Amino acid sequence: DIQMTQSPASLSASLEEIVTITCQASQDIGNWLSWYQQKPGKSPQLLIYGATSLADGVPSRFSGSRSGTQYSLKISRLQVEDIGIYYCLQAYSAWTFGGGTKLELK
Amino acid sequence: QVQLKESGPGLVQPSQTLSLTCTVSGFSLTSNSVHWVRQPPGKGLEWVGAIWSGGSTDYNSALKSRLSISRDTSKSQVFLKMNSLQTEDTAIYFCTRIHYGGYGGFDYWGQGVMVTVSS
Repeated sequence: DIQMTQSPASLSASLEEIVTITCQASQDIGNWLSWYQQKPGKSPQLLIYGATSLADGVPSRFSGSRSGTQYSLKISRLQVEDIGIYYCLQAYSAWTFGGGTKLELK
Repeated sequence: QVQLKESGPGLVQPSQTLSLTCTVSGFSLTSNSVHWVRQPPGKGLEWVGAIWSGGSTDYNSALKSRLSISRDTSKSQVFLKMNSLQTEDTAIYFCTRIHYGGYGGFDYWGQGVMVTVSS
């Protein structure tokens, strides 16, 4: 089974700061990687698909990148509405979520 | 517009069988796959299984022996059945569908249904 190691587990950042979250895949998954934001009591929301493509309606301050088997989600200028838990998901072989990153305001 | 909605009992006794229904609208089950994802209280997301547009299924290997996913296309409903429930199966269960853009992501999600396994 493919494992997704997500880091950090928690992150405290200031408004307007640049935030980066990473996921390391245990093997090659190509671009079969998506990112989600989940707010308390809500369903996850798709942010990025295909490792780098922005989902419909998602602000352009969110971006995704890939370097080999390491994937990153970047928030260019943190806003208060970006607070929540972020997950990566691989869909290359079955589906596996990363452990999540809790993003809080400093 | 696309919608998914889960329904089912909130409380199930240990060793019993869980039955959940996902009712969809705004798209056809013969054109898109529907997946189940669960989330234990305060914990992360876990993929449970899927039923594809052609009717075939895929299951999480850790749950496969206890799990069955089926559908009724005429009613736009997908069903999840999981037997031999244990307290570790307590979770919010979401149904979701594959994103049109490919690469296996999920674009629309139901609100989720909380299932508690307890006597």
